[in-house]
Amino acid sequence: DIQMIQSPSSLSASVGGRVSITCRASQSISNYLNWYQQKPGKAPNLLISAASSLQRGVPSRFSGGGSGTDFTLTINSLQPEDFAVYYCQQGFNTPFTFGQGTKLEI
Amino acid sequence: EVQLLESGGGLARPGGSLRLSCATSGFTFRDYAMSWVRQAPGKGLEWISVISGSGGSTSYADSVKGRFIISRDKFKNSLYLQMNSLRAEDTAVYYCAKEVVTSSGVSAMDSWGQGTLVTVSS
Repeated sequence: DIQMIQSPSSLSASVGGRVSITCRASQSISNYLNWYQQKPGKAPNLLISAASSLQRGVPSRFSGGGSGTDFTLTINSLQPEDFAVYYCQQGFNTPFTFGQGTKLEI
Repeated sequence: EVQLLESGGGLARPGGSLRLSCATSGFTFRDYAMSWVRQAPGKGLEWISVISGSGGSTSYADSVKGRFIISRDKFKNSLYLQMNSLRAEDTAVYYCAKEVVTSSGVSAMDSWGQGTLVTVSS
């Protein structure tokens, strides 16, 4: 199985700031990498697919990059609604494993 | 509007069974693969199973292989998860999700239900 490791597990930032979250795969997954946001008590929401494709309706302050084994989610100009947990997920092979999550706190 | 609505969760005894359902609307059900993802209390997301649009292909996480069965009914536009030989560690919120294949061929879960809680306890 492909292991997905996110770092950091948690981070603090301020409104208006910029953060980056890293996701590393245990083997090359090309660009088969998705990012999800989850708020407390809610289902996850797809932000970015194929490593860098922003989903419709997702603000442009979110961006993704990377390929192979190393990927990054960057959020610019943080807004209060961005404080949530973020997960990466590989869609290269089943089982479609998730990273352990990164909690973004104010 | 795409809608996914899970049901069937509740309390089950260790070794018991439950059947989860996911009623869908707002899209052509047969055209999309569907997945189940679970989240134990206070923990991260765990993908557990996927079924192709036709229903002819399935895959499972090792943690549920041989105990859980995913299926779908094209006439009812519904997805199911039959859970047998339940264990305490199966306690989680179970989400159904619609898979979309992007233009670059990458599959992602673009729509999710609200989840249904399964508690396995004696």
